[in-house]
Amino acid sequence: SQQGEEDPQALSIQEGENATMNCSYKTSINNLQWYRQNSGRGLVHLILIRSNEREKHSGRLRVTLDTSKKSSSLLITASRAADTASYFCVPNQAGTALIFGKGTTLSVSS
Amino acid sequence: DTAVSQTPKYLVTQMGNDKSIKCEQNLGHDTMYWYKQDSKKFLKIMFSYNNKELIINETVPNRFSPKSPDKAHLNLHINSLELGDSAVYFCASSQGLNSANVLTFGAGSRLTVL
Repeated sequence: SQQGEEDPQALSIQEGENATMNCSYKTSINNLQWYRQNSGRGLVHLILIRSNEREKHSGRLRVTLDTSKKSSSLLITASRAADTASYFCVPNQAGTALIFGKGTTLSVSS
Repeated sequence: DTAVSQTPKYLVTQMGNDKSIKCEQNLGHDTMYWYKQDSKKFLKIMFSYNNKELIINETVPNRFSPKSPDKAHLNLHINSLELGDSAVYFCASSQGLNSANVLTFGAGSRLTVL
């Protein structure tokens, strides 16, 4: 198992702005997943991108994956106050459990 | 209908006591997990069961004993509670380690040891 390393650790933006979070990992993967955790709540799966995909969209979320650089990014467009949360990237290798890193804490102010 | 439900949501107890947290999933998943999130929000995997069989057991004190009576339930029993056990414990489930392995989490059980 391996964990992703998110960057930056913290990000503060205004409502309406875009938020970009980056993730790096160390070894080959089957897929990479992004999760969100609102304060005091459980984690919620946002999006999964497979190792043979380069980009994926879901609503206001856009995820990219560069397996040659072992990196991924999560873009949230037109941020809202409700997007305030911690975001985790989780690289997944078949047969192993998901290991979570420290995440990026996003604060969106109105 | 809650997909992964944990009880209790809050638990306050004294050092030295024994307590249990229960978890149930109605998703038909084969694999269940326990994660611990400490005060610094770092989420660490503790155990994983696949079809009632223990498959992952991270470095966790023997005071923690998971039990899976069937593949829909994974309970966590903690003996002789210590101050450092205070944390939020999350149960999760997935279709299995060899699938896309997307986790569905419960809402968490906040344990406070006094």
